[in-house]
Amino acid sequence: DTEVTQTPKHLVMGMTNKKSLKCEQHMGHRAMYWYKQKAKKPPELMFVYSYEKLSINESVPSRFSPECPNSSLLNLHLHALQPEDSALYLCASSQDTSTYEQYFGPGTRLTVT
Amino acid sequence: GQQLNQSPQSMFIQEGEDVSMNCTSSSIFNTWLWYKQDPGEGPVLLIALYKAGELTSNGRLTAQFGITRKDSFLNISASIPSDVGIYFCAGQGLRSYNQGGKLIFGQGTELSVKP
Repeated sequence: DTEVTQTPKHLVMGMTNKKSLKCEQHMGHRAMYWYKQKAKKPPELMFVYSYEKLSINESVPSRFSPECPNSSLLNLHLHALQPEDSALYLCASSQDTSTYEQYFGPGTRLTVT
Repeated sequence: GQQLNQSPQSMFIQEGEDVSMNCTSSSIFNTWLWYKQDPGEGPVLLIALYKAGELTSNGRLTAQFGITRKDSFLNISASIPSDVGIYFCAGQGLRSYNQGGKLIFGQGTELSVKP
């Protein structure tokens, strides 16, 4: 089973709202990733968690706050977003950060109004 | 930084035709991955390549890791309508070794199949 699940599927939020995206995997993977993707563009890496610790932050604005409560769960907390933050947010996981086969979830389509 | 040049950007083909797309880099890559993404969904891993010269098949898909380690191609034989989507190559280059699983992505090839 190579399934990564993400909730919600769609999210519309105002610029003053606070919301969270959730990601879960039960493959025993110890590396988890957040990506942002604009239409017909490749995914852009935002954060990497390795063994539940943040290992890479690609200079992401502080209005995006990741959290890894345990080895199966990854959250992305959103606050005071801008319309240009509207995108597909993808979660992925891999066995660890030295294994490059990453398995993606279906994504959350975020619209900021 | 390291970049991947993926071509073609888009393809419009007839059902039943074969398809070929490729990715090239100016620097050496250790790993090549090929993903397919359907509209509104996440990318799905199709094939992973780890050795120069490696040729791997997955059903009608065949991918190769170039001998120079600077390129990879993906072929789809006898295309069908469900092959429609965007195909991304991705890789891990020498310079990003030990950079925590960071992948470099190509810009994607958008495939359209006419029944």
